Amino acid sequence: DAKTTQPNSMESNEEEPVHLPCNHSTISGTDYIHWYRQLPSQGPEYVIHGLTSNVNNRMASLAIAEDRKSSTLILHRATLRDAAVYYCIPNGGQGAQKLVFGQGTRLTINP
Amino acid sequence: DTGVSQDPRHKITKRGQNVTFRCDPISEHNRLYWYRQTLGQGPEFLTYFQNEAQLEKSRLLSDRFSAERPKGSFSTLEIQRTEQGDSAMYLCASSLPATSSYEQYFGPGTRLTVT
Repeated sequence: DAKTTQPNSMESNEEEPVHLPCNHSTISGTDYIHWYRQLPSQGPEYVIHGLTSNVNNRMASLAIAEDRKSSTLILHRATLRDAAVYYCIPNGGQGAQKLVFGQGTRLTINP
Repeated sequence: DTGVSQDPRHKITKRGQNVTFRCDPISEHNRLYWYRQTLGQGPEFLTYFQNEAQLEKSRLLSDRFSAERPKGSFSTLEIQRTEQGDSAMYLCASSLPATSSYEQYFGPGTRLTVT
């Protein structure tokens, strides 16, 4: 399993963009990069995933470095509801099973 | 509610007792996963099923732990002779076949406290 490095914590203000970085230098060529988040007292929820190209969905954008050794999750306008622990998870492609969670980044949003 | 459900949400038990948790996945999902999460840590994978077959077990799943998924629908996780170190949140997730989606949907978890 690829090792990931994320900041332990980050802080931002409401309605401002947030960039959450992740280093995954040992990622294999077939690993997708998944991001999940865990709101307080809830199970994790899927945010976004990608392989090589940048990806956008209704929740966030994912920017993947050209060498794939790092990625950045972008929340375009943070709300209080985005306060959570964010996990970056390199994971195998088709046929992948388990998710290997690291420590994640605890994001605090100030009103 | 069509999400993953888990029962009970909280369980307090005395050391040495047996406990059983239940997970009901999203109905069309054939993959089901169990994870354990201790305070301040990310979830750790325990085991997963594809339909009724248990395809992978973590070394974290000692012989006191057993998981089943009869008929490929709901799943149960039993812990025998509980120890204080078993205190954790037990999370269940389900997903469509890997060829269809990579997303796992998590339930709210069962919080176990062993006294």
